[in-house]
Order: sequence, then structure tokens, then C-alpha cells
Amino acid sequence: DVKVTQSSRYLVKRTGEKVFLECVQDMDHENMFWYRQDPGLGLRLIYFSYDVKMKEKGDIPEGYSVSREKKERFSLILESASTNQTSMYLCASSYMSSNTGELFFGEGSRLTVL
Amino acid sequence: AQTVTQSQPEMSVQEAETVTLSCTYDTSESDYYLFWYKQPPSRQMILVIRQEAYKQQNATENRFSVNFQKAAKSFSLKISDSQLGDAAMYFCAHDSGTYKYIFGTGTRLKVLA
Repeated sequence: DVKVTQSSRYLVKRTGEKVFLECVQDMDHENMFWYRQDPGLGLRLIYFSYDVKMKEKGDIPEGYSVSREKKERFSLILESASTNQTSMYLCASSYMSSNTGELFFGEGSRLTVL
Repeated sequence: AQTVTQSQPEMSVQEAETVTLSCTYDTSESDYYLFWYKQPPSRQMILVIRQEAYKQQNATENRFSVNFQKAAKSFSLKISDSQLGDAAMYFCAHDSGTYKYIFGTGTRLKVLA
């Protein structure tokens, strides 16, 4: 089975702290994604990557950056956390050439910024 | 712009009954995929069912089926013989092959014993 693992299920950080959210997948997927999930807003794409060292902005990239140094790992970075970044963050991956388009998700990282 | 709308924030269904979750979307693409994803409480989101726009036949996966109306841009999910394990958030999503999947706001399904 495909496994997408997010390093932290729950984090509490203070305003201004630098935050790293790590995501690892074990199925050699080319594509990896970071979403933010908020009640009433659904899932919104922050960044995605289709190859090592490649990244593209999603719909809400402001305040975030990403890193993909290895194919299996995709990190989301909050350079200076703010209270409005309190949210659930979901990592996902998929095959580049998949004709199904299926996304495989991690369990999520719930971040609280105080 | 592509949009996905789920107009039912919450639904309830009795165990063993049938429930239909609604989804409408807007797109200018002629070829695309539509999905229903399930997010159980505190668990990872998983794919329930998918539909390719060029296929007229409605997709079916066991107790889950869709009613895909391309002209109306409607994509509803029917769950038959509802089970307690079906309780979850359900998200409708659209993908036109750009990797920028568009998700709806979700419908929380409660299953009553």
C-alpha cells in the first residue's frame, strides 16, 4: 500500500517561530502536494512539486515555502509563523503519468500558532 | 475559473438507508476527472470513487455510485446500505490534468444507528 507519512500530527508554535512540516512517501511518486484544510473552505493548494527541486505555487503560497531535495520527501516551511496559519496541513502524492489522477494523502498535521 | 460547490455542509442518514451527496462544478475543459474523497475522523483522506468526463457510464464501487450529469455539471455521490463506518467528511474534487485539483468545501455525513 502507498504510505504518505507526515512527521508531526500535532504542533503548537509561537508567533514568529520557524516551522517545518515534513512529508515522506514510499511509492516513488513524482508529484507531491501541500494543502491547507480549514472548516468551510475545503482544501486549498499551497505548493506542489512534480520533480526533485521543482516547485510551483498553488492558490495560497503567501507565507509559505517548500523544499524537495529528494524524490520521497517534501517539506513545508513557515518562515515566521502567524496566528492565521493555524490550520490542518495535508500532504499528498501521486504518479506523474497516472491516468487515474488519484491523490494519496497523509494523516495531516494540525498546527496551532499562539 | 474552475470551481467545485458542495451545498450540503452536513447530512444524516439512518444505518442501512441510502443517502445522496451533491456536488456541482464549473469548468471550461472538455476532458477532466471528478472524484469523491472520504476523510474519516482523525484519519487520512482516501479516494472513494472517480469519474472520467469522457465516459458516459456512471462509475460504481460496491455501495458507492455516482450520478454524473456532464451538461448540468453535476456529480452526486450515492451511498447505499449506509454503514457506521461511512461517517466522515466527503469532498468532491475536479482535476483537468494540471495537478491543481479543485476541492469542494466538504459534506459531513453522520450515520445514525
